[in-house]
Amino acid sequence: EVQLVESGGGLVKPGGSLRLSCAASAFTFNTYNMNWVRQAPGKGLEWVSSISSRSSDIYYADSVKGRFTISRDNAKNSVYLQMNALRAEDTAVYYCARAGAFCRTTSCYAPDYWGQGTLVTVSS
Amino acid sequence: SYELTQPPSVSVSPGQTARITCSGDALPETYAYWYQQKSGQAPVLVIYEDTKRPSGIPERFSGSSSGTMATLTISGAQVEDEADYYCYSTDSSSQWKVFGTGTKVTVL
Repeated sequence: EVQLVESGGGLVKPGGSLRLSCAASAFTFNTYNMNWVRQAPGKGLEWVSSISSRSSDIYYADSVKGRFTISRDNAKNSVYLQMNALRAEDTAVYYCARAGAFCRTTSCYAPDYWGQGTLVTVSS
Repeated sequence: SYELTQPPSVSVSPGQTARITCSGDALPETYAYWYQQKSGQAPVLVIYEDTKRPSGIPERFSGSSSGTMATLTISGAQVEDEADYYCYSTDSSSQWKVFGTGTKVTVL
């Protein structure tokens, strides 16, 4: 069964940094695009960033561009989100999500499987 | 950027049909996907590529799309279908990936 396990969340002060990790298992990781999606407390889902299977294409939401960096290590079956210059409005549960097995083009990133999420709290 | 608009809430009685809409300018050219999120849980994919249902999703969930609107239909809604539902799509260039504003479905 596909598993995505996020880690690295926690409490950080405004302006601080945090690195999230997502460990994937039970599928051929290096053939799938990956995503990070977040959800602020009591709010809706917000797409954050996406990375193609070979890291050749990377996308960011305007709200995080220039502050967050997505990367992946196919040898370790992992995807990462480096978050710098954190703000209170970045407080959210961050989900790692695999692009669907139904994706037939490299430009498809719609998620099928999701991790359980890791909570990031930005507060002084 | 790009936006997808959903109604904030939909209420139905058990056994009735719930319809949730998702409006976006690029939907004539792009697929819509639908996710169910129950309280405290991760989202679950219920419809992909406008109309297709993943294995394990009950047949009462169906999707359609026409013009700038995609629709998720729950035929014969059950109490366990109470959840938040989100559509997802992209702009025509696939650069902007977007979730809809979300719809809370109440079955009572």
